[in-house]
Amino acid sequence: AQSVAQPEDQVNVAEGNPLTVKCTYSVSGNPYLFWYVQYPNRGLQFLLKYITGDNLVKGSYGFEAEFNKSQTSFHLKKPSALVSDSALYFCAVRANTGGFKTIFGAGTRLFVKA
Amino acid sequence: EADIYQTPRYLVIGTGKKITLECSQTMGHDKMYWYQQDPGMELHLIHYSYGVNSTEKGDLSSESTVSRIRTEHFPLTLESARPSHTSQYLCASTSGLANTGELFFGEGSRLTVL
Repeated sequence: AQSVAQPEDQVNVAEGNPLTVKCTYSVSGNPYLFWYVQYPNRGLQFLLKYITGDNLVKGSYGFEAEFNKSQTSFHLKKPSALVSDSALYFCAVRANTGGFKTIFGAGTRLFVKA
Repeated sequence: EADIYQTPRYLVIGTGKKITLECSQTMGHDKMYWYQQDPGMELHLIHYSYGVNSTEKGDLSSESTVSRIRTEHFPLTLESARPSHTSQYLCASTSGLANTGELFFGEGSRLTVL
């Protein structure tokens, strides 16, 4: 069975500082990994994904994520946080062994303080 | 912006009423999904479809039903709404024979049952 863990309910960071939002996963076979962001009263927006290849993937709004197979992690990062980055972030996993179900983590709320 | 639309955005109804949440996409995606999300909380997959006349139940048991008569349309119905059905319902779609596509989400339908 697929599962995703986001160990932090909330991450607080000062504007201009680097940010990291953590994600670990469990899946049979090779994983396809995704990050999404949700602003209040909105649907989710896609940020980036890892399918294969380079372990460091770059996405929208200056975000990037690093895939680590040995640690089964896919942490989201940004070198310099903005107040406008404050939102709810979801990590998601899909198995590559058939089926198209995407399973989401519980979400991490990011607060960026000016 | 993704072309996936949900109506109504907000709905307040009394117990026992029948409701249908509409979801339509104009991208020709074959795969569509319904997720249930309490505000600011994790997403739970309740229904999905891999194409016309294909529907499956998700990981979270739900009293709702879905249909997929047309590619672009994936409505969700509650025959008799109860207060426990109060939640946000998110519709999503993706495409491709490979398992690698990201999900495109609608803005959500927030249901309140009194």
